[in-house]
Amino acid sequence: DSGVTQTPKHLITATGQRVTLRCSPRSGDLSVYWYQQSLDQGLQFLIQYYNGEERAKGNILERFSAQQFPDLHSELNLSSLELGDSALYFCASSVYSDEFGGYTFGSGTRLTVV
Amino acid sequence: GQQVMQIPQYQHVQEGEDFTTYCNSSTTLSNIQWYKQRPGGHPVFLIQLVKSGEVKKQKRLTFQFGEAKKNSSLHITATQTTDVGTYFCAGPNGTSGTYKYIFGTGTRLKVLA
Repeated sequence: DSGVTQTPKHLITATGQRVTLRCSPRSGDLSVYWYQQSLDQGLQFLIQYYNGEERAKGNILERFSAQQFPDLHSELNLSSLELGDSALYFCASSVYSDEFGGYTFGSGTRLTVV
Repeated sequence: GQQVMQIPQYQHVQEGEDFTTYCNSSTTLSNIQWYKQRPGGHPVFLIQLVKSGEVKKQKRLTFQFGEAKKNSSLHITATQTTDVGTYFCAGPNGTSGTYKYIFGTGTRLKVLA
Protein backbone atom coordinates (compact mmCIF):
# COMPACT_ATOMS: atom_id res chain seq x y z
CA ASP A 1 0.00 0.00 0.00
CA SER A 2 1.62 3.22 -1.20
CA GLY A 3 -0.60 5.48 0.91
CA VAL A 4 -2.26 7.02 -2.16
CA THR A 5 -5.82 5.74 -2.49
CA GLN A 6 -7.67 5.71 -5.78
CA THR A 7 -11.29 4.74 -6.27
CA PRO A 8 -12.83 3.00 -8.02
CA LYS A 9 -10.27 0.43 -9.16
CA HIS A 10 -12.26 -0.46 -12.24
CA LEU A 11 -14.92 1.42 -14.16
CA ILE A 12 -16.85 0.35 -17.23
CA THR A 13 -19.06 2.90 -18.88
CA ALA A 14 -20.62 3.75 -22.22
CA THR A 15 -19.58 6.35 -24.74
CA GLY A 16 -20.99 9.78 -24.05
CA GLN A 17 -21.17 9.22 -20.32
CA ARG A 18 -19.44 11.11 -17.51
CA VAL A 19 -17.36 9.60 -14.70
CA THR A 20 -15.51 10.84 -11.65
CA LEU A 21 -12.26 9.34 -10.44
CA ARG A 22 -11.19 9.99 -6.89
CA CYS A 23 -7.78 10.22 -5.28
CA SER A 24 -6.71 10.62 -1.66
CA PRO A 25 -3.06 11.61 -1.41
CA ARG A 26 -0.58 10.19 1.05
CA SER A 27 -0.89 11.76 4.48
CA GLY A 28 1.05 15.01 4.57
CA ASP A 29 1.33 15.40 0.81
CA LEU A 30 -0.01 18.66 -0.59
CA SER A 31 0.44 18.03 -4.32
CA VAL A 32 -1.66 15.75 -6.45
CA TYR A 33 -0.86 14.78 -10.04
CA TRP A 34 -3.00 12.95 -12.56
CA TYR A 35 -1.50 10.79 -15.30
CA GLN A 36 -3.08 8.77 -18.08
CA GLN A 37 -1.56 5.50 -19.26
CA SER A 38 -3.06 3.95 -22.35
CA LEU A 39 -2.44 0.30 -23.23
CA ASP A 40 1.27 -0.29 -23.68
CA GLN A 41 1.88 3.43 -23.56
CA GLY A 42 3.84 5.70 -21.33
CA LEU A 43 2.51 8.01 -18.69
CA GLN A 44 0.94 11.19 -20.00
CA PHE A 45 0.74 14.07 -17.54
CA LEU A 46 -2.72 15.57 -17.27
CA ILE A 47 -2.80 18.09 -14.42
CA GLN A 48 -1.31 19.03 -11.06
CA TYR A 49 -2.84 20.59 -7.97
CA TYR A 50 -0.99 21.97 -4.98
CA ASN A 51 -2.84 22.74 -1.77
CA GLY A 52 -6.09 23.29 -3.62
CA GLU A 53 -4.75 25.32 -6.52
CA GLU A 54 -4.05 24.24 -10.07
CA ARG A 55 -0.29 24.43 -10.65
CA ALA A 56 0.47 22.80 -13.97
CA LYS A 57 -1.43 21.49 -16.93
CA GLY A 58 -0.47 18.94 -19.52
CA ASN A 59 -2.30 17.76 -22.59
CA ILE A 60 -5.58 17.49 -20.78
CA LEU A 61 -8.65 17.44 -22.99
CA GLU A 62 -11.32 20.10 -22.53
CA ARG A 63 -13.75 17.28 -21.73
CA PHE A 64 -11.64 16.50 -18.69
CA SER A 65 -11.48 18.59 -15.53
CA ALA A 66 -10.13 18.18 -12.05
CA GLN A 67 -10.13 19.80 -8.66
CA GLN A 68 -8.51 19.45 -5.28
CA PHE A 69 -10.66 19.90 -2.22
CA PRO A 70 -9.80 21.48 1.17
CA ASP A 71 -9.14 18.03 2.64
CA LEU A 72 -6.61 17.62 -0.24
CA HIS A 73 -8.36 14.78 -1.98
CA SER A 74 -8.74 15.26 -5.71
CA GLU A 75 -11.26 14.28 -8.33
CA LEU A 76 -10.78 13.89 -12.06
CA ASN A 77 -13.96 14.33 -14.08
CA LEU A 78 -14.15 12.84 -17.54
CA SER A 79 -17.17 13.72 -19.67
CA SER A 80 -18.54 12.91 -23.13
CA LEU A 81 -16.45 9.78 -22.97
CA GLU A 82 -15.04 8.27 -26.13
CA LEU A 83 -13.61 4.82 -26.80
CA GLY A 84 -10.14 6.33 -26.90
CA ASP A 85 -10.45 7.49 -23.31
CA SER A 86 -10.11 3.89 -22.17
CA ALA A 87 -6.93 3.83 -20.12
CA LEU A 88 -5.39 3.48 -16.72
CA TYR A 89 -5.59 6.73 -14.78
CA PHE A 90 -3.01 7.20 -12.05
CA CYS A 91 -2.96 9.70 -9.29
CA ALA A 92 0.33 10.54 -7.62
CA SER A 93 1.18 12.75 -4.69
CA SER A 94 4.17 14.53 -3.23
CA VAL A 95 4.84 16.81 -0.31
CA TYR A 96 5.57 19.96 -2.26
CA SER A 97 5.16 21.07 -5.85
CA ASP A 98 8.83 20.93 -6.87
CA GLU A 99 9.63 17.40 -6.22
CA PHE A 100 12.87 16.08 -5.03
CA GLY A 101 12.14 12.66 -3.68
CA GLY A 102 9.80 11.35 -6.29
CA TYR A 103 6.10 10.89 -6.60
CA THR A 104 4.08 8.26 -4.80
CA PHE A 105 1.58 6.67 -7.14
CA GLY A 106 -1.75 5.09 -6.36
CA SER A 107 -2.77 1.76 -7.83
CA GLY A 108 -4.81 3.45 -10.54
CA THR A 109 -8.34 3.38 -11.92
CA ARG A 110 -8.82 1.29 -15.02
CA LEU A 111 -11.46 2.94 -17.20
CA THR A 112 -13.08 1.01 -20.01
CA VAL A 113 -15.39 2.87 -22.37
CA VAL A 114 -17.65 0.62 -24.42
CA GLY B 1 7.87 20.65 -26.29
CA GLN B 2 10.18 18.65 -24.11
CA GLN B 3 10.55 15.02 -25.09
CA VAL B 4 12.07 12.19 -23.13
CA MET B 5 12.90 9.11 -25.15
CA GLN B 6 14.08 5.75 -23.94
CA ILE B 7 15.76 2.90 -25.74
CA PRO B 8 15.24 0.10 -26.19
CA GLN B 9 11.47 -0.10 -26.07
CA TYR B 10 11.62 -3.81 -25.19
CA GLN B 11 14.37 -6.06 -23.93
CA HIS B 12 14.32 -9.79 -23.30
CA VAL B 13 17.25 -11.21 -21.38
CA GLN B 14 18.17 -14.53 -19.89
CA GLU B 15 18.27 -14.56 -16.13
CA GLY B 16 21.78 -13.65 -15.05
CA GLU B 17 22.48 -11.41 -18.04
CA ASP B 18 22.99 -7.69 -17.68
CA PHE B 19 20.49 -5.07 -18.86
CA THR B 20 20.79 -1.39 -19.70
CA THR B 21 18.18 1.19 -20.62
CA TYR B 22 19.03 4.64 -21.92
CA CYS B 23 17.10 7.85 -21.47
CA ASN B 24 17.56 10.94 -23.65
CA SER B 25 16.01 14.34 -23.19
CA SER B 26 15.59 17.03 -25.82
CA THR B 27 16.43 19.64 -23.17
CA THR B 28 18.89 19.95 -20.30
CA LEU B 29 17.43 18.58 -17.09
CA SER B 30 17.90 19.89 -13.57
CA ASN B 31 17.43 16.36 -12.32
CA ILE B 32 16.14 13.02 -13.47
CA GLN B 33 14.09 10.36 -11.74
CA TRP B 34 13.71 6.66 -12.40
CA TYR B 35 10.61 4.56 -11.73
CA LYS B 36 9.77 0.88 -12.05
CA GLN B 37 6.32 -0.41 -12.92
CA ARG B 38 5.70 -4.11 -12.43
CA PRO B 39 3.17 -5.77 -14.76
CA GLY B 40 -0.30 -4.81 -13.57
CA GLY B 41 1.16 -2.42 -11.00
CA HIS B 42 1.82 1.23 -10.53
CA PRO B 43 5.06 3.18 -10.98
CA VAL B 44 7.34 3.09 -7.97
CA PHE B 45 10.02 5.70 -7.44
CA LEU B 46 13.54 4.27 -7.52
CA ILE B 47 15.97 7.17 -7.40
CA GLN B 48 16.71 10.77 -8.30
CA LEU B 49 19.94 12.08 -9.83
CA VAL B 50 20.83 15.74 -9.64
CA LYS B 51 24.50 16.36 -10.37
CA SER B 52 26.23 16.22 -13.73
CA GLY B 53 28.00 12.88 -14.12
CA GLU B 54 26.41 11.51 -10.95
CA VAL B 55 26.45 7.74 -10.43
CA LYS B 56 24.32 6.02 -7.80
CA LYS B 57 23.99 2.36 -6.96
CA GLN B 58 21.20 0.36 -5.41
CA LYS B 59 22.38 -3.21 -5.02
CA ARG B 60 22.47 -4.56 -8.59
CA LEU B 61 21.12 -1.34 -10.12
CA THR B 62 23.46 1.44 -11.27
CA PHE B 63 22.07 4.81 -12.31
CA GLN B 64 24.06 7.43 -14.19
CA PHE B 65 23.34 11.05 -15.13
CA GLY B 66 25.18 12.36 -18.17
CA GLU B 67 27.74 15.12 -18.03
CA ALA B 68 25.53 17.39 -20.13
CA LYS B 69 22.48 16.47 -18.00
CA LYS B 70 20.53 15.47 -21.09
CA ASN B 71 20.82 11.73 -20.77
CA SER B 72 20.79 9.01 -18.18
CA SER B 73 21.11 5.26 -17.95
CA LEU B 74 20.02 2.42 -15.71
CA HIS B 75 22.13 -0.72 -15.67
CA ILE B 76 21.06 -3.93 -13.94
CA THR B 77 23.76 -6.50 -13.27
CA ALA B 78 22.87 -10.18 -13.31
CA THR B 79 19.14 -9.79 -13.84
CA GLN B 80 16.65 -11.78 -11.80
CA THR B 81 13.02 -12.62 -12.53
CA THR B 82 12.04 -10.03 -9.94
CA ASP B 83 13.48 -7.34 -12.21
CA VAL B 84 10.65 -7.84 -14.71
CA GLY B 85 8.71 -4.68 -15.43
CA THR B 86 8.83 -1.39 -17.26
CA TYR B 87 11.47 1.14 -16.31
CA PHE B 88 10.69 4.80 -16.82
CA CYS B 89 12.87 7.84 -16.55
CA ALA B 90 11.22 11.18 -15.84
CA GLY B 91 12.48 14.71 -16.21
CA PRO B 92 11.03 17.92 -14.79
CA ASN B 93 9.34 20.45 -17.00
CA GLY B 94 8.28 23.93 -16.05
CA THR B 95 9.44 26.68 -13.75
CA SER B 96 9.85 26.51 -10.02
CA GLY B 97 6.51 25.91 -8.37
CA THR B 98 4.94 24.56 -11.53
CA TYR B 99 7.04 21.47 -12.03
CA LYS B 100 5.59 18.39 -13.52
CA TYR B 101 7.58 15.35 -14.48
CA ILE B 102 7.50 14.20 -18.07
CA PHE B 103 7.92 10.47 -18.27
CA GLY B 104 9.96 8.72 -20.88
CA THR B 105 8.52 6.13 -23.20
CA GLY B 106 9.72 3.33 -20.95
CA THR B 107 11.69 0.15 -21.47
CA ARG B 108 9.86 -3.10 -20.87
CA LEU B 109 12.15 -5.78 -19.48
CA LYS B 110 11.38 -9.47 -19.62
CA VAL B 111 13.67 -11.90 -17.86
CA LEU B 112 13.64 -15.50 -19.04
CA ALA B 113 14.39 -18.07 -16.35
